[in-house]
Amino acid sequence: AQSVSQHNHHVILSEAASLELGCNYSYGGTVNLFWYVQYPGQHLQLLLKYFSGDPLVKGIKGFEAEFIKSKFSFNLRKPSVQWSDTAEYFCAVNAPDSGTYKYIFGTGTRLKVLA
Amino acid sequence: NAGVMQNPRHLVRRRGQEARLRCSPMKGHSHVYWYRQLPEEGLKFMVYLQKENIIDESGMPKERFSAEFPKEGPSILRIQQVVRGDSAAYFCASSPGTSGAHEQFFGPGTRLTVL
Repeated sequence: AQSVSQHNHHVILSEAASLELGCNYSYGGTVNLFWYVQYPGQHLQLLLKYFSGDPLVKGIKGFEAEFIKSKFSFNLRKPSVQWSDTAEYFCAVNAPDSGTYKYIFGTGTRLKVLA
Repeated sequence: NAGVMQNPRHLVRRRGQEARLRCSPMKGHSHVYWYRQLPEEGLKFMVYLQKENIIDESGMPKERFSAEFPKEGPSILRIQQVVRGDSAAYFCASSPGTSGAHEQFFGPGTRLTVL
């Protein structure tokens, strides 16, 4: 069965610090990978996605993620965080060849950026 | 261009009552997904529907829960005889179903509180 692990449940950073959030998945077949962000009181918004091609994916708001197939990882990075990045971040996976396009989500990482 | 709409945004029910959650997908989207987010947990897949068909209900509890997506009108997630453990945020997502990756767009969620 598919599963997604996000190892950091709570992260606190100062503004301008660099960010890396870990995401590992378990599934032997082809996967599509996503990072979503949920700002307080708002719905999930897509930050970036990987379907195929260049494993380094650039998203919105200066975020990027790198797909490392050998490590089953899709870590999210941002070189310099801002106070407005305070939110919860979810990694998600789906398996397009499984017959269902449901997402499997990680448990989320709550990021707090101190001004 | 309206996004995914969910109503109500907040719903309070007493134990034993029924809860009906509605989801209107984005215009042109024919695939709907329901997820549940329990406190301090990530989103868990419940059910995946296309118009008039349930494609994957592997995440639905066996009793009291049902979902539909009729030819006309919104998708409905119905919970009969609610219990306190049903208190959660319920998110709906939609996708166009035209691309293999089925990127999903999320609604704002319905927060169900069972007294």
